[in-house]
Amino acid sequence: GAVVSQHPSRVICKSGTSVKIECRSLDFQATTMFWYRQFPKQSLMLMATSNEGSKATYEQGVEKDKFLINHASLTLSTLTVTSAHPEDSSFYICSARDPGANSPLHFGNGTRLTVT
Amino acid sequence: GENVEQHPSTLSVQEGDSAVIKCTYSDSASNYFPWYKQELGKRPQLIIDIRSNVGEKKDQRIAVTLNKTAKHFSLHITETQPEDSAVYFCAAAIYNQGGKLIFGQGTELSVKP
Repeated sequence: GAVVSQHPSRVICKSGTSVKIECRSLDFQATTMFWYRQFPKQSLMLMATSNEGSKATYEQGVEKDKFLINHASLTLSTLTVTSAHPEDSSFYICSARDPGANSPLHFGNGTRLTVT
Repeated sequence: GENVEQHPSTLSVQEGDSAVIKCTYSDSASNYFPWYKQELGKRPQLIIDIRSNVGEKKDQRIAVTLNKTAKHFSLHITETQPEDSAVYFCAAAIYNQGGKLIFGQGTELSVKP
């Protein structure tokens, strides 16, 4: 079963509004989670590393004030797309790895964001 | 930072033939190389991975080879089936950094019956 849960799976919002996406680790505590964005027919691009209890680390070119990341607990990271625009429409996927086990990275099911 | 290049971008094979996808990476510190299969609108699914302490790993019809000196690794699928059709991504990471993956551009594999 899924060990990383992402919600919502789909969201449609109007330009200028904000959208929050949640990523939860279900069976383990994740001090680090990762957020990716995927445009149609393109690869997964790492946006940021979410660190529990501290600031996220953003990749070059990703606006930290637009994509707010909060990792307030060991099982939950949230990504908020602020003042969304149509060009923010994309597939957003989170991932996490159980640090206590020799396990691979687990991905959430992704969130399809459409900004109208 | 790490950069991963993947080729080809599209690959069409006849059912039963083999398919090979190749990737190169730039950061010699990378030591973990997974391959993912992604179907339309779904999350990537890990199909095989390899650590830098081995040169080859096989799981039934799927195998991955790694050449650390040349910084390249390849996915081999034998006896392809129509259900193998999907987009495949390679990735590279430093494993003990918690799984920060850098992905290749993807290969759209089409297996024709």
